[in-house]
Amino acid sequence: AQSVTQLDSHVSVSEGTPVLLRCNYSSSYSPSLFWYVQHPNKGLQLLLKYTSAATLVKGINGFEAEFKKSETSFHLTKPSAHMSDAAEYFCVVSVTSGTYKYIFGTGTRLKVLA
Amino acid sequence: NAGVTQTPKFQVLKTGQSMTLQCAQDMNHEYMSWYRQDPGMGLRLIHYSVGAGITDQGEVPNGYNVSRSTTEDFPLRLLSAAPSQTSVYFCASRPTGTNYGYTFGSGTRLTVV
Repeated sequence: AQSVTQLDSHVSVSEGTPVLLRCNYSSSYSPSLFWYVQHPNKGLQLLLKYTSAATLVKGINGFEAEFKKSETSFHLTKPSAHMSDAAEYFCVVSVTSGTYKYIFGTGTRLKVLA
Repeated sequence: NAGVTQTPKFQVLKTGQSMTLQCAQDMNHEYMSWYRQDPGMGLRLIHYSVGAGITDQGEVPNGYNVSRSTTEDFPLRLLSAAPSQTSVYFCASRPTGTNYGYTFGSGTRLTVV
């Protein structure tokens, strides 16, 4: 069965320091993987996606993620956090068998300290 | 602006009432979905549609109905509201296939008292 686990429900970093949000997945098929960001009282916005091309994926706002098949991971990183990065982040795996359902992780809330 | 439009943004219902959450997209996306978001549970799929006239159940479909008469519209109906349906509801659309991300609406915050 397909699943996705976000290893941290909350992450706090200081402004200007690196960000690491961890995501592990389980999939019987070649997965497509996504990261979304949700700012307070807003909808979800696509940050980046992995679809079996380059394993290092660059997204918007300086975020990137690396697909590591051997570790079944798709961690999200940013070299230097900004106050505007404070939000909730969701890792998503798509199920490629038939109906193309998406499975969402439970989210990681990122807090950026001044 | 192109995107997914949800109405209303906020709604309070009494237990047993029915209502329809509206969702419309203008990107000609075939695939549309309804999710509910509850604290600590991420987003859970209620119903989805792969095109006009085709709908199917997600992981939490009980108490909800959908229809897809046009490509643009995908309304979600609550048949008899219950307090357990208090949640934030998101409609999303994308092109068919696994390589595309969703475009989300801004959500409907529903409270059932």
